[in-house]
Amino acid sequence: NAGVTQTPKFQVLKTGQSMTLQCAQDMNHEYMSWYRQDPGMGLRLIHYSVGAGITDQGEVPNGYNVSRSTTEDFPLRLLSAAPSQTSVYFCASMQGATNEQFFGPGTRLTVL
Amino acid sequence: RKEVEQDPGPFNVPEGATVAFNCTYSNSASQSFFWYRQDCRKEPKLLMSVYSSGNEDGRFTAQLNRASQYISLLIRDSKLSDSATYLCVVKNTGGFKTIFGAGTRLFVKA
Repeated sequence: NAGVTQTPKFQVLKTGQSMTLQCAQDMNHEYMSWYRQDPGMGLRLIHYSVGAGITDQGEVPNGYNVSRSTTEDFPLRLLSAAPSQTSVYFCASMQGATNEQFFGPGTRLTVL
Repeated sequence: RKEVEQDPGPFNVPEGATVAFNCTYSNSASQSFFWYRQDCRKEPKLLMSVYSSGNEDGRFTAQLNRASQYISLLIRDSKLSDSATYLCVVKNTGGFKTIFGAGTRLFVKA
């Protein structure tokens, strides 16, 4: 049981490049979400999903897209990277009944 | 005003000390409360949920004060391994929205 996995662990992009951050969970959780964490800001919700085929925007969705074609996978796409997107990105999953969120190890992204 | 506010610290305490963190939240409709722990350059992990009646887990005690809209975390007999950032988390009613505080850093020194 791997829990929540994320790839890559580190990534450096140039302004304007696009990329996809991968997230997968093997706990059959309904809820999945993407957060970014910046110094002094706490975790901020980017997008979330309450089940396969259902996604919605969080607090800071601009510049990011998501899709949820399966229960297990929830990729985050950066369409045209900007320096303001330099951050640590965490994916999380949650089974509704417990409300405990399980986080992946994070992706450290730098946009030059 | 942030929805969830914490003193960023850092709190520097000796081993064996008792330390307390407070966290205030602005939305009176908030229903679920948690403390998460985050080690340096790692992901957050659930430390404990916070119940209306207060709850204890070993050396850790969490309390909720709905009237004043704050939650607290008390750590007794601090260990070196307690050094981490503690995140206050609030979940609102009827939805998915979960708000994280920016965290309080704790350093426990020998």
